[in-house]
Amino acid sequence: DAKTTQPNSMESNEEEPVHLPCNHSTISGTDYIHWYRQLPSQGPEYVIHGLTSNVNNRMASLAIAEDRKSSTLILHRATLRDAAVYYCILRDRGEYGNKLVFGAGTILRVKS
Amino acid sequence: DGGITQSPKYLFRKEGQNVTLSCEQNLNHDAMYWYRQDPGQGLRLIYYSQIVNDFQKGDIAEGYSVSREKKESFPLTVTSAQKNPTAFYLCASRVGGAGNTEAFFGQGTRLTVV
Repeated sequence: DAKTTQPNSMESNEEEPVHLPCNHSTISGTDYIHWYRQLPSQGPEYVIHGLTSNVNNRMASLAIAEDRKSSTLILHRATLRDAAVYYCILRDRGEYGNKLVFGAGTILRVKS
Repeated sequence: DGGITQSPKYLFRKEGQNVTLSCEQNLNHDAMYWYRQDPGQGLRLIYYSQIVNDFQKGDIAEGYSVSREKKESFPLTVTSAQKNPTAFYLCASRVGGAGNTEAFFGQGTRLTVV
């Protein structure tokens, strides 16, 4: 299974940008990089995904390294509502299709 | 409204009893997943299904069973063989196939063994 590595926790000040890193050195050529986040006692929600190029949506931006062995989720202006666990995952192709394997994630704390 | 629904939100079980957690989706998704989450931990994959009448074991399938008789339903049974069943259980679905489709999660069922 392709694995990802993320820092256990990060802290940010409100209204400042946040850069959440993810290493995935064993990524295969056809693996997509997905990011989800989870608020306490809720199911995870999709944030963004990409393959090779940088991606932007209304929630965040995703910067993917040229060799695709790492990526960074960028929250342009952190708010208190962005405090959550952020998961970086790879679409892992198992024998019968795509498993979704989650790591431990990064706990993001936002200070007011 | 389209979505994925888990029920019940809270469930209590006596030791030695089997219990079934419900997961229903009306998104017409082919793929469905069950995860377990322990306090302060990430999600661990229990079972997943890519199509009706087919499912595969995830990383921690022992003590659990599933069925996929209908596209919209993927119930999870926690059997008495599961030694430590108290946890937060999450169900997810996605279109399946291509790796560029997002997964949608339910709000979870918190199971407590008493």
